[in-house]
Amino acid sequence: AQSVAQPEDQVKVAEGNPLTVKCTYSVSGNPYLFWYVQYPNRGLQFLLKYITGDNLVKGSYGFEAEFNKSQTSFHLKKPSALVSDSALYFCAVRDGNKLIFGTGTLLAVQP
Amino acid sequence: KAGVTQTPRYLIKTRGQQVTLSCSPISGHRSVSWYQQTPGQGLQFLFEYFSETQRNKGNFPGRFSGRQFSNSRSEMNVSTLELGDSALYLCASSLGGLSGSFPNEQYFGPGTRLTVT
Repeated sequence: AQSVAQPEDQVKVAEGNPLTVKCTYSVSGNPYLFWYVQYPNRGLQFLLKYITGDNLVKGSYGFEAEFNKSQTSFHLKKPSALVSDSALYFCAVRDGNKLIFGTGTLLAVQP
Repeated sequence: KAGVTQTPRYLIKTRGQQVTLSCSPISGHRSVSWYQQTPGQGLQFLFEYFSETQRNKGNFPGRFSGRQFSNSRSEMNVSTLELGDSALYLCASSLGGLSGSFPNEQYFGPGTRLTVT
């Protein structure tokens, strides 16, 4: 069965510093991976996806993710964090016609 | 282009009642999926519809049902509500769905917050 794991419940970074939110996956076949962000009392917003091709995927709001097949990881990154990036981040993997989500990582960017 | 809309945004129901939630996808999107989000179970898939046909169903009891109309709008219904059904119900739409070699990403609505008392 397809699954993703987000090992950190919470990540804290200072504004202006680089941020990384970790995700590892377990799949049979080719992995189709996604990152979403959720702000309080809002739905999920799509950030980026990995289908095939370049291991570095660029997405919305300056976010990017690095696909690493040997480490089965798909970490979300941003070179310089903003206070407004504080939110709940979800990694997800495709399983047929549905997404399997990780448990989420709460990102807190401190001024 | 307007995003995914869900109505109502908030709902309070009593145990044993039934409820219907509505979702209007992004124009041109034919796939609509429903997810339940709770603090304990996280995000769980309910079902997916494409061109009025249910293509996939999650591991939920038969009290949870849905349908999709010819204009791609979708409704989900929960009968005989239980306290544990309290959750944020999220609808997501995509052009053609997630299947195939080039899956389309899903775009989510703001959700309907259901409280069962």
